[in-house]
Amino acid sequence: EIVMTQSPLSLPVTPGEPASISCRSSQSLLKSSGYIYLDWYLQKPGRSPQVLISLGSNRASGVPDRFSGSASGTDFTLNISRVEPEDVGVYYCMQALQPPWTFGQGTKVEIK
Amino acid sequence: QEQLVQSGMEVKKPGATVTVSCAASGFRFSDYYIHWVRQVPGQGLEWMGWIHPNGRVTEYAQSFQGRVTMTRDTSFSTAYMELRRLTSDDTAVYYCARDPPTEQTFDLWGQGTLVTVSS
Repeated sequence: EIVMTQSPLSLPVTPGEPASISCRSSQSLLKSSGYIYLDWYLQKPGRSPQVLISLGSNRASGVPDRFSGSASGTDFTLNISRVEPEDVGVYYCMQALQPPWTFGQGTKVEIK
Repeated sequence: QEQLVQSGMEVKKPGATVTVSCAASGFRFSDYYIHWVRQVPGQGLEWMGWIHPNGRVTEYAQSFQGRVTMTRDTSFSTAYMELRRLTSDDTAVYYCARDPPTEQTFDLWGQGTLVTVSS
């Protein structure tokens, strides 16, 4: 099973400032196709998760361009260029390379 | 409008069986994998398994092997997740999620179904 480790687990942010969340996988998520099977999800309070980023760096439809994802080996980063108040919630990375699909522990983002 | 609508909250006794449904609308149901993910209150997300678009192939997380069955009915555009021999540890919100073939991304989620297991 691929283990996903996120940091930090809690992230107080200031609106208008940038924010960054890290995720590390216990093995490479790069498939022979050249794609990296790493997604980022946001679960807003009381809501279902929603996809932000797929395949390491592809922003999902309708996701604001302040969100971006980067990938390098087994290290992944979700960046928010300028945090908005509606960005609060828990962010999860997830590997979809092989079953069982596994999630990071989650990073709780809240406004300072 | 594309959506997945799940069945309502359930309260079950230990040892019982629960079936949660996930009804699709606004898109071609038969094109997509359906995954099930659960979330124990206050905790993170746990993948349970998936069912292939053809309905004949499933893959389950080892921790649920022998206790879970995922099915789908294309004529009703609905997927089902049955979990047997419930214990209090199964108290959680259960989500279905759509996965486009070749993408392996959960691009649409149901609203979640709370299953409470209590004597």
